[in-house]
Amino acid sequence: DSGVTQTPKHLITATGQRVTLRCSPRSGDLSVYWYQQSLDQGLQFLIQYYNGEERAKGNILERFSAQQFPDLHSELNLSSLELGDSALYFCASSAGVGTTFTDTQYFGPGTRLTVL
Amino acid sequence: GIQVEQSPPDLILQEGANSTLRCNFSDSVNNLQWFHQNPWGQLINLFYIPSGTKQNGRLSATTVATERYSLLYISSSQTTDSGVYFCAVESYGGSQGNLIFGKGTKLSVKP
Repeated sequence: DSGVTQTPKHLITATGQRVTLRCSPRSGDLSVYWYQQSLDQGLQFLIQYYNGEERAKGNILERFSAQQFPDLHSELNLSSLELGDSALYFCASSAGVGTTFTDTQYFGPGTRLTVL
Repeated sequence: GIQVEQSPPDLILQEGANSTLRCNFSDSVNNLQWFHQNPWGQLINLFYIPSGTKQNGRLSATTVATERYSLLYISSSQTTDSGVYFCAVESYGGSQGNLIFGKGTKLSVKP
């Protein structure tokens, strides 16, 4: 158990809808990362937050947004969903002491999103 | 943008054997990481290794940044080593702040 929790585990929705994925980092970790894993695109880094502020941005679509709250949990919002958004979405956390990607990341179990 | 190629794509080993996984990248990097995804989907961050050599138990990694490759060594493999190994890099310049993943090497260790 990495200590990172993600909810829900599974999510099935329809095209055009909006969903919110939630991540709680390990106790004491200040950084949260979001990743997408799909058969077509493989593993992709989406975005990183450190102590509430956006720190790094990867291949995140404009239809997607994220935020990190004062209690350090994070939410990834996916809107106007398309079939191609079906994927496993991982959250990871790290202490955030170093610069981006230099700390060891601890991954949650992922949320599997299916868009029908 | 930077290209990350991993080889071999698939590897089947007998328990106890050693293996070397390779990651080639097309541009200078300021960050390179290795990850393992087990057959149940759990991801583990193995190494942060932009250059040099690191060891952690039976696993070690070496990155030769000037020649744009990294190697992951697994010694005395165990069935629990099975899964997919990903290399990911962050390059300087336009891709800075973005971690780019290779397609992975799928390792199967047979008892």
